[in-house]
Amino acid sequence: GAVVSQHPSWVICKSGTSVKIECRSLDFQATTMFWYRQFPKQSLMLMATSNEGSKATYEQGVEKDKFLINHASLTLSTLTVTSAHPEDSSFYICSARVGTSGPTDTQYFGPGTRLTVL
Amino acid sequence: DQQVKQNSPSLSVQEGRISILNCDYTNSMFDYFLWYKKYPAEGPTFLISISSIKDKNEDGRFTVFLNKSAKHLSLHIVPSQPGDSAVYFCALLPGPGAGSYQLTFGKGTKLSVIP
Repeated sequence: GAVVSQHPSWVICKSGTSVKIECRSLDFQATTMFWYRQFPKQSLMLMATSNEGSKATYEQGVEKDKFLINHASLTLSTLTVTSAHPEDSSFYICSARVGTSGPTDTQYFGPGTRLTVL
Repeated sequence: DQQVKQNSPSLSVQEGRISILNCDYTNSMFDYFLWYKKYPAEGPTFLISISSIKDKNEDGRFTVFLNKSAKHLSLHIVPSQPGDSAVYFCALLPGPGAGSYQLTFGKGTKLSVIP
């Protein structure tokens, strides 16, 4: 199946610093990439949807100035957590979708990035 | 308010027996239903899905049942194997009229298959 990678897999940073997470589709071109966040014992919550070359669409309650998403190519999307604080500590997962025709287009998930903000 | 509920956070099953994972939803806009399996420190992987026009879909040891009137779906694994031990998420998609194809996930059920 299709492979999606994320880098880094684990990052620890100081409060106030910015962290960039990369999401790459390794063997396919993704028309759409999604960013999710998962807190312990919670479901995956969609943060934003990004299409290559256009601005990301953020879910309600997600600050677009804090979570900057860049989808510069069909194989790469980045999420930058700006001025991170301890409450941003979470597991961030991206997914990539190949087609645009509807629900049968499978989303392939990356392995996730665990962010710990001290 | 949670739209998708997996009321059992954990489930233990003996190897060889049937595992039944349940998922309930509240909004009738959901039209397509998926199950994902997740190991620790890994992203979810797609397992099986069902559209609202069906009530059952089977793939090897995995069968998904959908009861639209009850807004309930379940995943049956039989026979269960130790390698099935993971967290299972149900994920729901709205129909075409919603204008988006964004997954809404349940909180997951941790399945432990005991050898």
